[in-house]
Amino acid sequence: NAGVTQTPKFQVLKTGQSMTLQCAQDMNHNSMYWYRQDPGMGLRLIYYSASEGTTDKGEVPNGYNVSRLNKREFSLRLESAAPSQTSVYFCASSSRVQPQHFGDGTRLSIL
Amino acid sequence: KQEVTQIPAALSVPEGENLVLNCSFTDSAIYNLQWFRQDPGKGLTSLLLIQSSQREQTSGRLNASLDKSSGRSTLYIAASQPGDSATYLCARGGAAGNKLTFGGGTRVLVKP
Repeated sequence: NAGVTQTPKFQVLKTGQSMTLQCAQDMNHNSMYWYRQDPGMGLRLIYYSASEGTTDKGEVPNGYNVSRLNKREFSLRLESAAPSQTSVYFCASSSRVQPQHFGDGTRLSIL
Repeated sequence: KQEVTQIPAALSVPEGENLVLNCSFTDSAIYNLQWFRQDPGKGLTSLLLIQSSQREQTSGRLNASLDKSSGRSTLYIAASQPGDSATYLCARGGAAGNKLTFGGGTRVLVKP
């Protein structure tokens, strides 16, 4: 089973460029999440989608937008990348009372 | 703000020793408490989930306890093995949409 798939795995951007991180899950989960992981900061929730058609802000939403394209896919967009957004980004999915399943992450560097 | 703390940040033990990992949280009104494992360069793998109505969960050599009154959870790993070397993260689940607040993790090294 593929589980949660994130693309790309690595990306280098210049300040001001835009890009979209893709996430897809094949477990028929209703809820999907985007986190960022920074040294010494743990994982912080950027946005989440409790169900298809809904999205809500997490702890650190500034500078990001999301789209829940359908039940399987949840994308994260950086409209104008900044060096402070250099991080490892994780997508996760879950059903309501089950543990979250994580992808392997996207390592993003912004110069 | 809800906070989750894991101390120590790093831990080294000889193979065969039992591991005790600590997690504390500031709000006792939690929905659940989850423990994850993260290997270098990888995502998180769920180990145990304790619902707020439960006191502990067990899976093989792993046992996690939850004490809401003191705001603590403990993960026990019996008879540690070098393959247990990883970073262990705990996360507090809130009532709304299973949003998780993570601790900073404890990096564990089990020496052969």
